[in-house]
Amino acid sequence: DGGITQSPKYLFRKEGQNVTLSCEQNLNHDAMYWYRQDPGQGLRLIYYSQIVNDFQKGDIAEGYSVSREKKESFPLTVTSAQKNPTAFYLCASRARGLSYEQYFGPGTRLTVT
Amino acid sequence: SQQGEEDPQALSIQEGENATMNCSYKTSINNLQWYRQNSGRGLVHLILIRSNEREKHSGRLRVTLDTSKKSSSLLITASRAADTASYFCATDAGRVQGAQKLVFGQGTRLTINP
Repeated sequence: DGGITQSPKYLFRKEGQNVTLSCEQNLNHDAMYWYRQDPGQGLRLIYYSQIVNDFQKGDIAEGYSVSREKKESFPLTVTSAQKNPTAFYLCASRARGLSYEQYFGPGTRLTVT
Repeated sequence: SQQGEEDPQALSIQEGENATMNCSYKTSINNLQWYRQNSGRGLVHLILIRSNEREKHSGRLRVTLDTSKKSSSLLITASRAADTASYFCATDAGRVQGAQKLVFGQGTRLTINP
């Protein structure tokens, strides 16, 4: 089965703790993206990566960090500096070149108390 | 920044009726895409319309694009209960340093009543 996996589906953390969300794809896509979705809202771009060992900040990167050491993997760390981390986090990928469609994972719902 | 604004925010219709959702945007685009999201799930790509196209069909979906008004509409004909979901438009303004950045609207929550 080709696709994007995110784990875990639900994640609970105490305030002040860093937490890392996993995103893996076996679609051989070059570009990967992290989005945040709040209830009843659209998606906002956190970070994106076009190739291995390269990534750029999106619109709301403060309090988040990423790495792209392997083509298949693009983990997102939500740090204690993120003021309001409770949200639904979505990872997506896209093939190289003129392809426009993004493929999404199932999401991770993070709750910080 | 949220470029796409969708209207209505919520829509409830009877099964078999048609559903129309609208999306407006602010800047020039290369293409506009529509995605569907079932509750608590990831997004699924439905259809893409390029800036030089005015209308596109895919099964029960019909998308129109009016670049002069910076707006698009998604029509779902003969709705089914399984069409219940949130629908998002996403604008692609072209590559920024080679990277595609989609900007999503806030979505329309569609409920199909049996």
